[in-house]
Amino acid sequence: EVQLVESGGGLVQPGGSLRLSCAASGFTFRVYEMNWVRQAPGKGLEWVSYISSSGNTIHYADSVKGRFTMSRDIAKNSLYLQMNSLRPEDTAVYYCARGQICDYWGQGTLVTVSS
Amino acid sequence: SYALTQPPSVSVSPGQTASITCSGDELGDKYACWYQQKAGQSPVLVIYHDTKRPSGIPERFSGSNSGNTATLTISGTQAMDEADYYCQAWGSSTAVVFGGGTKLTVL
Repeated sequence: EVQLVESGGGLVQPGGSLRLSCAASGFTFRVYEMNWVRQAPGKGLEWVSYISSSGNTIHYADSVKGRFTMSRDIAKNSLYLQMNSLRPEDTAVYYCARGQICDYWGQGTLVTVSS
Repeated sequence: SYALTQPPSVSVSPGQTASITCSGDELGDKYACWYQQKAGQSPVLVIYHDTKRPSGIPERFSGSNSGNTATLTISGTQAMDEADYYCQAWGSSTAVVFGGGTKLTVL
């Protein structure tokens, strides 16, 4: 069974940092592209970042470029999102999703940026 | 930047056909996906590559994509189909784009 489990969310002050993790299981993680997608409270889905299966290609939404860094660890079957210089508008549930078509999603982890 | 536009809401009577549109410049030249999100839950893929249904998705869900518009069609809509629906496409070689979402009400 494919499973994606996000962790690392929480309350952080503006300007602070958080590192999100996504633990993958039930499929061959190393052959899949992955995405981070977020959803602000009461709002729609917003794509955040993409990483190729090899990890050599990474893309970011303009809203997070230069502040967020996506990475993956094949040995640990894990995906990461390092978030720096956080802003109140980054408050959202963050999901990891598998593949270009996002065929599987995790349950999400809530990030709240507030003083 | 590339944008996808959806109607904010669509209403349908039980048993009728619901159509949700997604518009974007030359969207028909890209692959479109559709996701269903029920309240408090994670999104679920219901259509990919314009017309394909993942395993486990009922046959009443279908998709099309041509010109500037992709359409999600739900035939014989059931109360359980009430949810938010989002379209998605790759706006360029480097960015994924989601539509703003459509709230489907079955009444």
